[in-house]
Amino acid sequence: EVQLVESGGGLVQPGGSLRLSCAASGFTFSSYWMSWVRQAPGKGLEWVASIKQDGSEKYYVDSVKGRFTISRDNAKNSLYLQMNSLRAEDTAVYYCARDAGAYSGWGQGTLVTVSS
Amino acid sequence: EIVLTQSPGTLSLSPGERATLSCRASQSVSSSYLAWYQQKPGQAPRLLIYGASSRATGIPARFSGSGSGTEFTLTISSLQSEDFAVYYCQQYNYWPPWTFGQGTKVEIK
Repeated sequence: EVQLVESGGGLVQPGGSLRLSCAASGFTFSSYWMSWVRQAPGKGLEWVASIKQDGSEKYYVDSVKGRFTISRDNAKNSLYLQMNSLRAEDTAVYYCARDAGAYSGWGQGTLVTVSS
Repeated sequence: EIVLTQSPGTLSLSPGERATLSCRASQSVSSSYLAWYQQKPGQAPRLLIYGASSRATGIPARFSGSGSGTEFTLTISSLQSEDFAVYYCQQYNYWPPWTFGQGTKVEIK
């Protein structure tokens, strides 16, 4: 069974940083693209970033380019999202997702709140 | 960027009724690359349909997907109490960005 467990969310001031982690189990992590998808309070789903199996390709939504960095450690079955220069509009639940084209597995999400 | 527009925004139906949800793309999307997700309050999304019409593992047969080009449909043949939720379509044909529709809420009438 696919299991994805996010951690690292919390309250941060505008301009601050957070690092989200996602621990994967139940599948061969190194065989899949992985992605981060976020959901602002009361809003819909928004793709944030994706990374290829070996980390050689990374893509970001325009609104986070230059501020967020996606990475992975296949030896630790872990996905990361380094978030810098956080803004109020980054406030959301952040989900990691197994990317098989469609998102075939999701974590429970971790809440990031950017507020002073 | 491909924009996905879902309609209606809210669908008010009774248990046992048929639900028909629409997803329209701003340009043609290969049917191999259109997915539907269900999200209940406080929960993560769950994959229902991929490739426009293939049910994901464990998804009941009352859920079906169809369509091609710019018009796609999710049908729930007979609503059960656990089906009242928000539904999103997503395209993974032309990326980045991967895009979602804004969602359709299916509520109890």
